[in-house]
Amino acid sequence: GQQLNQSPQSMFIQEGEDVSMNCTSSSIFNTWLWYKQDPGEGPVLLIALYKAGELTSNGRLTAQFGITRKDSFLNISASIPSDVGIYFCAGQGGAQKLVFGQGTRLTINP
Amino acid sequence: GAVVSQHPSWVICKSGTSVKIECRSLDFQATTMFWYRQFPKQSLMLMATSNEGSKATYEQGVEKDKFLINHASLTLSTLTVTSAHPEDSSFYICSALPGQADYEQYFGPGTRLTVT
Repeated sequence: GQQLNQSPQSMFIQEGEDVSMNCTSSSIFNTWLWYKQDPGEGPVLLIALYKAGELTSNGRLTAQFGITRKDSFLNISASIPSDVGIYFCAGQGGAQKLVFGQGTRLTINP
Repeated sequence: GAVVSQHPSWVICKSGTSVKIECRSLDFQATTMFWYRQFPKQSLMLMATSNEGSKATYEQGVEKDKFLINHASLTLSTLTVTSAHPEDSSFYICSALPGQADYEQYFGPGTRLTVT
């Protein structure tokens, strides 16, 4: 089946640092999405990418959809304590189904 | 807008019993809802696609007779875990698709099931 490889699995950074995480896939997806999940909560959509090569920003977040439609990265600039959580990439394929990456757990030291 | 709720938020049941989890779209209609399962420190895994007025479509490896899905209205889908066992203990999350844009699935807050 389709799988997304997300890295790194975890990150420990200082407040104010920039963060970068990425996802790769063996399959092509029509849409790439990035979600954040807080403990005990459902995922919340951060950024959606529709076109190959597309670069999209949402505040301090920037994400790009790879030109091959098989990869994406998410950058967070100037991290703050509320950025703590688990970030998931997800690819949307047929029948609107989402395939999620393994997640990147972000920890920030104040 | 676009709020999805789940009930209960957590439930503890004894092995062998059944438990029902509700997923509601509060301010929009959703012809399609999805059910996911998430084990601790793992990713979300799609279990099934729930379509209003028709049978659910289950992912490979998910037992349809164990995880009963009913999407009886445009705002409600239910997941019933039948004859629950401790290995069914997990975080169950639903999402709803308003239909305005293909990608826009709105997720519920999840239901934590513990089977003792």
